[in-house]
Amino acid sequence: DGGITQSPKYLFRKEGQNVTLSCEQNLNHDAMYWYRQDPGQGLRLIYYSQIVNDFQKGDIAEGYSVSREKKESFPLTVTSAQKNPTAFYLCASSLRDPNYGYTFGSGTRLTVV
Amino acid sequence: GQQLNQSPQSMFIQEGEDVSMNCTSSSIFNTWLWYKQEPGEGPVLLIALYKAGELTSNGRLTAQFGITRKDSFLNISASIPSDVGIYFCAGHTSGTYKYIFGTGTRLKVLA
Repeated sequence: DGGITQSPKYLFRKEGQNVTLSCEQNLNHDAMYWYRQDPGQGLRLIYYSQIVNDFQKGDIAEGYSVSREKKESFPLTVTSAQKNPTAFYLCASSLRDPNYGYTFGSGTRLTVV
Repeated sequence: GQQLNQSPQSMFIQEGEDVSMNCTSSSIFNTWLWYKQEPGEGPVLLIALYKAGELTSNGRLTAQFGITRKDSFLNISASIPSDVGIYFCAGHTSGTYKYIFGTGTRLKVLA
């Protein structure tokens, strides 16, 4: 079955460490997105990529980095520069024209300890 | 970044009641989507709307694309306990790269 897989489901990070969240899709979607979700808030866009080897900053890119070396994969690195990284992170993908909506992964909950 | 206004923010209802929620924007959209998110999971698409005035149903769910193209509505009839979750609206303008999401309506159903 086609879908989008995020791993791990739960991730704990010590302050000052970088961590990488995985996102893989087998939907043959061109575009991929990373969102951050905090309690009581909506979804805020971190980065997006419409094509391999190209990506753009979203609304809250500071302290994050991404790569898009393969169509299927869009990993997100949360760097030590991100001051408040504890959150629920959602990856999504869509056709290049996103008019039919996004397909979301099941999320990764990152906690800084 | 822009976010859409959703209301109400949260609802506690009795099983069997009908639910209404809405989403408003200062911008015109060409597409409105409604998603449901269950605890600890990603949002799942419920309904997509593509024309002003369009009314679309998915089982007990009915959504409408507002005539002004700046709002959308979602109704759930005869609620059941598994309707619990957060409902998000999302708007999209043709030619742009992303959807704008609402702040969510948290629904709790009391059996």
